[in-house]
Amino acid sequence: EVQLVESGGGLVQPGGSLRLSCAASGFTFIGYSMNWVRQAPGKGLEWVSYISSRSRTIYYADSVEGRFTISRDDAKNSLYLQMNSLGVEDTAVYYCVRRSNSWDFDYWGQGTLVTVSS
Amino acid sequence: EIVMTQFPATLSVSPGERATLSCRASQSVSSNLAWYQQKPGQAPRLLIYGASTRATGIPARFSGSGSGTEFTLTISSLQSEDFAVYYCQQYDNWPPWTFGQGTKVEIK
Repeated sequence: EVQLVESGGGLVQPGGSLRLSCAASGFTFIGYSMNWVRQAPGKGLEWVSYISSRSRTIYYADSVEGRFTISRDDAKNSLYLQMNSLGVEDTAVYYCVRRSNSWDFDYWGQGTLVTVSS
Repeated sequence: EIVMTQFPATLSVSPGERATLSCRASQSVSSNLAWYQQKPGQAPRLLIYGASTRATGIPARFSGSGSGTEFTLTISSLQSEDFAVYYCQQYDNWPPWTFGQGTKVEIK
């Protein structure tokens, strides 16, 4: 069974930093591209970042470019998102999401809540 | 960036009735379109990919159609567990991957 379990969310002050983690299991992690997708309270879904298998290609949404860094450790079956210079607009549930071989987003973690507030 | 527009924003339907949700892309996405269902407090779940292929374990009452810029998700006979928010997403031209703003299907 595919499982994606996020951790690392919490309350942080504006300008602060946070590192999210996603532990993957039930599939061959190294063979899949992964994403972070976020959802602000009461709002829709926003793609945040993408990392290909073996970290060859990385993309960011314009809204986080230069502040967030995606990475993965295939030996640990883990995905990460380092978030710096956080603003209130970054408050959201962050989901770890697998991109399928059909290129859709087939498995989602349960999400971790990041709240940026003073 | 491809903009995805869903309509209506809210759809009021009685259990057992048919629900038709629409999604429009600002430019052609071929058949690279997915639908997701999200219930309160839960993560989104993949329903349909390739515009019309049901994901594993998705009941046959869910069907998708369309290509290019116009897409439809149909729920043939709404069950109580189907009341949720539905999102379309294009994965044809990326980055960024873009989602519609969602359609909430509520009980009439």
